Parts: sequence; C-alpha cells; structure tokens
Amino acid sequence: DGGITQSPKYLFRKEGQNVTLSCEQNLNHDAMYWYRQDPGQGLRLIYYSQIVNDFQKGDIAEGYSVSREKKESFPLTVTSAQKNPTAFYLCASTDRNRNSPLHFGNGTRLTVT
Amino acid sequence: AQSVAQPEDQVNVAEGNPLTVKCTYSVSGNPYLFWYVQYPNRGLQFLLKYITGDNLVKGSYGFEAEFNKSQTSFHLKKPSALVSDSALYFCAVRDDSSASKIIFGSGTRLSIRP
Repeated sequence: DGGITQSPKYLFRKEGQNVTLSCEQNLNHDAMYWYRQDPGQGLRLIYYSQIVNDFQKGDIAEGYSVSREKKESFPLTVTSAQKNPTAFYLCASTDRNRNSPLHFGNGTRLTVT
Repeated sequence: AQSVAQPEDQVNVAEGNPLTVKCTYSVSGNPYLFWYVQYPNRGLQFLLKYITGDNLVKGSYGFEAEFNKSQTSFHLKKPSALVSDSALYFCAVRDDSSASKIIFGSGTRLSIRP
C-alpha cells in the first residue's frame, strides 16, 4: 500500500537536545510538507519542498531544519533553538497538480522536558 | 499571501440534523480549496475539494461543500449528521501565486449528540 510513514509515533527529549523526525513516502510525490499542530491553533507550516535538493521556509521555520536528499524522504530536525518544541508534527505529500490533495502521515508527538 | 479562516471553534448538532462548518478564504489568484477531517492522534484525511465551475461539490462520507465566490466562502455541509461525524475539521487553501504553499484554518471541532 502506498502512503506516508512517520516515525516514531511518540518521542521524548530533554531540553537542549536536537531531535530528528522521520518522514518517508512511497507515493512518488514531488512535494513534501511539515506542519506543526498545537491545540486551538490548527496546522502551521514549517517547511516545504517541491523537488529534491530544494526546500522553502514556511510560516514558522525558526528553530527547525530540513533536508531533501531523496524524493522519498523529508526529515525534520527540531533544534535546541526552537523555544517551544513540544507539539504534534505532521508530514504530508502531494503531486504537482495544484488540485491534488495532501496525503498525511499519522504524526509524531514530540515532548521536550 | 493566502489565508483561511474558520470562525467557529466548535459546532454542536443533534444527530439527524443538518450541519454546516464555515470557512472563508483570501487568495491572490484562483483558489484551490480543500476540506480534511482529523480523528484523535491521527493525521488528516481528505474529504473533498473545490472543482472550478461547481458551486456544490460532493465528497466522502456524505459531506458536500458550497463554494461562493462573492463571499469567498467554502462551507462544509451534510444534510443529516451522524454521531460518527464527530471529529476535527480543517479547511485548506492554495493559490496560483504560490501553488506549493498550502495553508490551513485553525480547525472546527464538530460534536454530534445522539
């Protein structure tokens, strides 16, 4: 079955540590996205990538970094510079058709203490 | 820059009654509009999308959405609500000027009472 896999489902880290969230897709989609979800604030765009080796900042990129070395993979690193990293992180992908919907993974819940 | 607003944090409806979840948008070009549903601790699932020329579009699970260009709205509707429709609903938009950037509303929690 084609889809998007995010791992791990739950992640715990100490403050001051960097952490990398995995996102892999086998849908052959060109574009991939990272969103952050906090209660009452909906989804906010962190980074997106339209093609391999290229990515753009979203609305809340500070404290995050990404890479897109392969079409299938778009890992997100939450750095120690992110002031409030505890959140639910969602990865998504879509093809180049503007009318195509996003396909989402099941998310990673990150807790930093 | 595009934006999308969902003015209601929560909508409460009795089972069997019609429901409406509101969404308004702002884009600089042609709008590409979508509705998604989210169940607890899961990713979002696609419900339906706006198709140019169709003011009423039908989607999954009996949902439909009404597009109104003059009011820049894309409200989600269902003629008869089910308890199982209770979930978090998101409206999303992308536009011509930055077609790859997709923005979501803040979400509306739909609660259907038996």
